Amino acid sequence: LAKTTQPISMDSYEGQEVNITCSHNNIATNDYITWYQQFPSQGPRFIIQGYKTKVTNEVASLFIPADRKSSTLSLPRVSLSDTAVYYCLVGDDRSADGLTFGKGTHLIIQP
Amino acid sequence: GAVVSQHPSWVICKSGTSVKIECRSLDFQATTMFWYRQFPKQSLMLMATSNEGSKATYEQGVEKDKFLINHASLTLSTLTVTSAHPEDSSFYICSASLQGGEQYFGPGTRLTVT
Repeated sequence: LAKTTQPISMDSYEGQEVNITCSHNNIATNDYITWYQQFPSQGPRFIIQGYKTKVTNEVASLFIPADRKSSTLSLPRVSLSDTAVYYCLVGDDRSADGLTFGKGTHLIIQP
Repeated sequence: GAVVSQHPSWVICKSGTSVKIECRSLDFQATTMFWYRQFPKQSLMLMATSNEGSKATYEQGVEKDKFLINHASLTLSTLTVTSAHPEDSSFYICSASLQGGEQYFGPGTRLTVT
């Protein structure tokens, strides 16, 4: 599985757009990029997944450049409840293997 | 989306006793279930992978005789922490997937060994 690198922590304010970038220089051809959100004492929650270019859902957008060596999770107009740890994972979506979580990014939203 | 439950949500036990944690996929049949462990302020670490009807595959460094995993049906996997010690206190999280697809995570079980 490709290793990922994310900032350890970030902070922002309510109503702002937050962008969290993840580096994955060794991403393989079959690998997808998936982001999870985790609140304290809860299991991770799927946010978004993409392979290339841009993916958008009701929660976030995921921007992936052509070389796919990085990706950026964009959270529009964050609120206090978006304070959480965000994990970027890279792997073959069809794999039956368990997931390898990196250290994640602790996002703190202030009023 | 698919729902995975865990029971209990938290448990406190005395050192030397065994604790069983259940993981259930509520609205789908999970061919594969995974068990993760998360210590405070750390990331999730995969402990083992279990497929229905077969023995679990443990990650390096995880004692299979201490962490007994049973995946008897397509909707239930159990993790039993045998002879628990304070260092086993952690947050245990399961996930379930259907034929190698997306993993759906349970809410986690907080184990405290006194």
